[in-house]
Amino acid sequence: GAGVSQSPSNKVTEKGKDVELRCDPISGHTALYWYRQSLGQGLEFLIYFQGNSAPDKSGLPSDRFSAERTGGSVSTLTIQRTQQEDSAVYLCASQTSGSRHEQFFGPGTRLTVL
Amino acid sequence: GQSLEQPSEVTAVEGAIVQINCTYQTSGFYGLSWYQQHDGGAPTFLSYNGLDGLEETGRFSSFLSRSDSYGYLLLQELQMKDSASYFCAVRRYSGNTPLVFGKGTRLSVIA
Repeated sequence: GAGVSQSPSNKVTEKGKDVELRCDPISGHTALYWYRQSLGQGLEFLIYFQGNSAPDKSGLPSDRFSAERTGGSVSTLTIQRTQQEDSAVYLCASQTSGSRHEQFFGPGTRLTVL
Repeated sequence: GQSLEQPSEVTAVEGAIVQINCTYQTSGFYGLSWYQQHDGGAPTFLSYNGLDGLEETGRFSSFLSRSDSYGYLLLQELQMKDSASYFCAVRRYSGNTPLVFGKGTRLSVIA
């Protein structure tokens, strides 16, 4: 496809369970970002991948959160031992290298922790 | 810390002009972006200002004053479909870097 895709679109889980969220960026985009958006709030940066460099994990809220990017393409965000405060929409964005300013966002995964 | 301030809600009449302001306080500033997000949708890029002044893209314009740490988004000839949330976002460094987002302004366009 031409855009960023994410799966699943919705995920309901029980407190304490682990979840995996997937992001397929636009082909050829070297940068990939994960953000979190709570209801009525702005986007909160979580983690950032740029090419083969080590990821910038400075936005991860706790060590229960981790992410990987395989082959410079698909990324998976994992949340272990989910808590109710993890409920939010998780958005993935990708970006080309160079001078373009635009980040292209996927539709997000709405996570609900019961 | 990083903070961006923008009004939480704005209401305007169809066909009118509306301005959404954004003030920022960040460690590092390279440019200011604006994104639109419809309910349940993905944020989409509207505009970017790296230098002081006005950038115009169709009905939308964006302004930046680096000395005042201030920018705004101007929407002209408002249409019902412009009802959405609008986010300002700071790019802190050159190259591909994470954005710092404001909490968004919910624009309601009424007939």
